[in-house]
Amino acid sequence: SQQGEEDPQALSIQEGENATMNCSYKTSINNLQWYRQNSGRGLVHLILIRSNEREKHSGRLRVTLDTSKKSSSLLITASRAADTASYFCAPEGWGKFQFGAGTQVVVTP
Amino acid sequence: DTAVSQTPKYLVTQMGNDKSIKCEQNLGHDTMYWYKQDSKKFLKIMFSYNNKELIINETVPNRFSPKSPDKAHLNLHINSLELGDSAVYFCASSQRDRDEKLFFGSGTQLSVL
Repeated sequence: SQQGEEDPQALSIQEGENATMNCSYKTSINNLQWYRQNSGRGLVHLILIRSNEREKHSGRLRVTLDTSKKSSSLLITASRAADTASYFCAPEGWGKFQFGAGTQVVVTP
Repeated sequence: DTAVSQTPKYLVTQMGNDKSIKCEQNLGHDTMYWYKQDSKKFLKIMFSYNNKELIINETVPNRFSPKSPDKAHLNLHINSLELGDSAVYFCASSQRDRDEKLFFGSGTQLSVL
């Protein structure tokens, strides 16, 4: 399946540091998306990268995609306490968005 | 002005009962989904409807039955609830062939005692 698997499972950093998390998947995709989930809330879309793109930026977010390795990374620069959340990748193919268990990021002041 | 709203937010019930969760979206999207998030945060797709037609039906027990009366609504009915059904259930919607982003509801936390 094209289920995303995030790594690491958990990440603890200090404000101002960068946070990097990775995603791997198994089959071909149309695009790959990243979502954030704050505790007790629904997921919120962050960024989408298409299968023919290699890198994308949005504010403090940078996403890369390597379709030959079937992997993606999400970099959050200059993290803030408000970035504390779980981050999920969702490879999309055939209309299915297959999430994993996410990376739990804790940013301490 | 909530885009995707689901009710109830919390549902506590006994084993063997039947319960329903309702979902409505006001985004004009043509596709709606049900996801189940377990205690380890793993988010698994259950069903998807496009224009009221079932298009994704993952390996889910027959006790779970989705119903889409119109494009803006997707309800989930669960019969004979079991302890293992305890989870957070999320409704989501998207517009196929456009920006393809998912918009999620805030979840229904189901606890089966």
